[in-house]
Amino acid sequence: AQKVTQAQTEISVVEKEDVTLDCVYETRDTTYYLFWYKQPPSGELVFLIRRNSFDEQNEISGRYSWNFQKSTSSFNFTITASQVVDSAVYFCALSVSGSARQLTFGSGTQLTVLP
Amino acid sequence: ETGVTQSPTHLIKTRGQQVTLRCSSQSGHNTVSWYQQALGQGPQFIFQYYREEENGRGNFPPRFSGLQFPNYSSELNVNALELDDSALYLCASSTRLGATGANVLTFGAGSRLTVL
Repeated sequence: AQKVTQAQTEISVVEKEDVTLDCVYETRDTTYYLFWYKQPPSGELVFLIRRNSFDEQNEISGRYSWNFQKSTSSFNFTITASQVVDSAVYFCALSVSGSARQLTFGSGTQLTVLP
Repeated sequence: ETGVTQSPTHLIKTRGQQVTLRCSSQSGHNTVSWYQQALGQGPQFIFQYYREEENGRGNFPPRFSGLQFPNYSSELNVNALELDDSALYLCASSTRLGATGANVLTFGAGSRLTVL
């Protein structure tokens, strides 16, 4: 069975601070995919990034960066110079090969960026 | 390119009633998945439909059922509603990329169901 843990329930930062959202996953599969989604108050989940288990290269996209470490089963997400518009719930998710290929989500981290 | 649309956005039912939620998938997508998101929790996988057939199911009882239509739209039906069914129901569509699990899901804004 798969499991995703996001230990940080809520984080509050002041605008322009850097913030890191933690994600730890569990799976026995050797081939898997990790995702981050953002859920603004409107409700829809917005895709941010997908990584496969064979690619540990860190990725940067503008103010966003992701650190994937198989040795610690972690896939952390950092926002540099946070902005008020970054306020949302962020979910880390995992999928593995096989039927349905459903996403297993963590419980989410509510990020509040204060002006 | 239209995204995933869901209806209704909000609805209130009483315990024991039945509900149908609808979803139109994103243009070009042929697979639809449904998720239940309780307040303060992450989404939980209900089931997925591909070519009008159920293609996998999470840990939900049979009173949760679904349909997919030839135009790839989908319905989620819940019978004998219970108080714990109160949640945001999210529909997501995707293309089918084999069995790799690499599919990126496009989510709708959800249908918020309240059961009294």
